[in-house]
Amino acid sequence: DAGVIQSPRHEVTEMGQEVTLRCKPISGHNSLFWYRQTMMRGLELLIYFNNNVPIDDSGMPEDRFSAKMPNASFSTLKIQPSEPRDSAVYFCASAQGQTQETQYFGPGTRLLVL
Amino acid sequence: GDSVTQMEGPVTLSEEAFLTINCTYTATGYPSLFWYVQYPGEGLQLLLKATKADDKGSNKGFEATYRKETTSFHLEKGSVQVSDSAVYFCALRSSSSNTGKLIFGQGTTLQVKP
Repeated sequence: DAGVIQSPRHEVTEMGQEVTLRCKPISGHNSLFWYRQTMMRGLELLIYFNNNVPIDDSGMPEDRFSAKMPNASFSTLKIQPSEPRDSAVYFCASAQGQTQETQYFGPGTRLLVL
Repeated sequence: GDSVTQMEGPVTLSEEAFLTINCTYTATGYPSLFWYVQYPGEGLQLLLKATKADDKGSNKGFEATYRKETTSFHLEKGSVQVSDSAVYFCALRSSSSNTGKLIFGQGTTLQVKP
């Protein structure tokens, strides 16, 4: 299995631009998670989908952030407009089954907003 | 709310030294407990887990025992190698949760010197 795939791996953009991060979960997994990692705040859960439906988006920082999961094999996290404080590594993870205890993480997207 | 507290790093050891990384948690009921490891430039990966009190999780020479009485899940390894240098995250999943949401500690950086 290819594991969780994220793209792009690195993104450099200017403040005010729209940024779209992409994730392909492991085939057959029914849960998908978006995390943000920074030195200051550590690892934060942004949003969680189960069977393509958003279940918990309480971690989404503000209206500039949005996430979608149009089907079981694809999800996007969009930031519009981006700000320098959004600079971080964004991880996608997927899990399978009712307990969903083991989450499999992608390699992350390193975002730098200038 | 539920939370996880890890010892602050960085932890610097010489090769073949004994490793302990402390982790304590606050949660109601009987959460599931996890250790994830993040190697440089990669996403997190599950190292070991325990789902009930007194369970011992083990993998790659690492061990952790679920101690309900002390609400702890300390990570240990008898002889570390340079290749163990990474960031280690303790996490819990609440027993009352019907989602896959994990609550992570802040991470502990381990550096092993030859």
